[in-house]
Amino acid sequence: GENVEQHPSTLSVQEGDSAVIKCTYSDSASNYFPWYKQELGKRPQLIIDIRSNVGEKKDQRIAVTLNKTAKHFSLHITETQPEDSAVYFCASRLTGFQKLVFGTGTRLLVSP
Amino acid sequence: NAGVTQTPKFQVLKTGQSMTLQCAQDMNHEYMSWYRQDPGMGLRLIHYSVGAGITDQGEVPNGYNVSRSTTEDFPLRLLSAAPSQTSVYFCASKKKGTAPNYGYTFGSGTRLTVV
Repeated sequence: GENVEQHPSTLSVQEGDSAVIKCTYSDSASNYFPWYKQELGKRPQLIIDIRSNVGEKKDQRIAVTLNKTAKHFSLHITETQPEDSAVYFCASRLTGFQKLVFGTGTRLLVSP
Repeated sequence: NAGVTQTPKFQVLKTGQSMTLQCAQDMNHEYMSWYRQDPGMGLRLIHYSVGAGITDQGEVPNGYNVSRSTTEDFPLRLLSAAPSQTSVYFCASKKKGTAPNYGYTFGSGTRLTVV
């Protein structure tokens, strides 16, 4: 079945720096790649997603890139702020299925 | 809209007890899923449903049952609780289709402890 690896497991940056979180998926039939943000004690919330027919998508300070050949996708956060501190999860979904497979998460800490 | 509502928020069970975690959504979403979240392991899919009367297994289905008699409700049953089922359980729902922002919406979670 599909497997998603996520790195790094923890990431510490200074406010204003950029942060990059990377994920690798195993099944080339995957076609949908969402990113979720989970604050401490809260539910995961969708922040951005990308489909396999698109190479990059931006939404203000966040962007996601997809390299289908290498089966990599990445989350980029620019001008980080303390409120960006949270756990971020990537996920992938196989074409024709409704199952999301999640990575193990990245704990991002943005220091003022 | 209340969104995805999970009850209870917290529960302590003794080994061998059974219980049902409730999940309801009022967004007329076709797809619903149950995940468990354990430290360092992300979110793992237990069971999912693509519509009323249709369910299927995810990555970790053993020890859990589901049913989907209505579009709104998707309860998760623990048949005989074990300490390994101590976890935070999330229910999620999604509208069918691929339009923007058709990602899964998560409930607030149920924290279950089995002693």
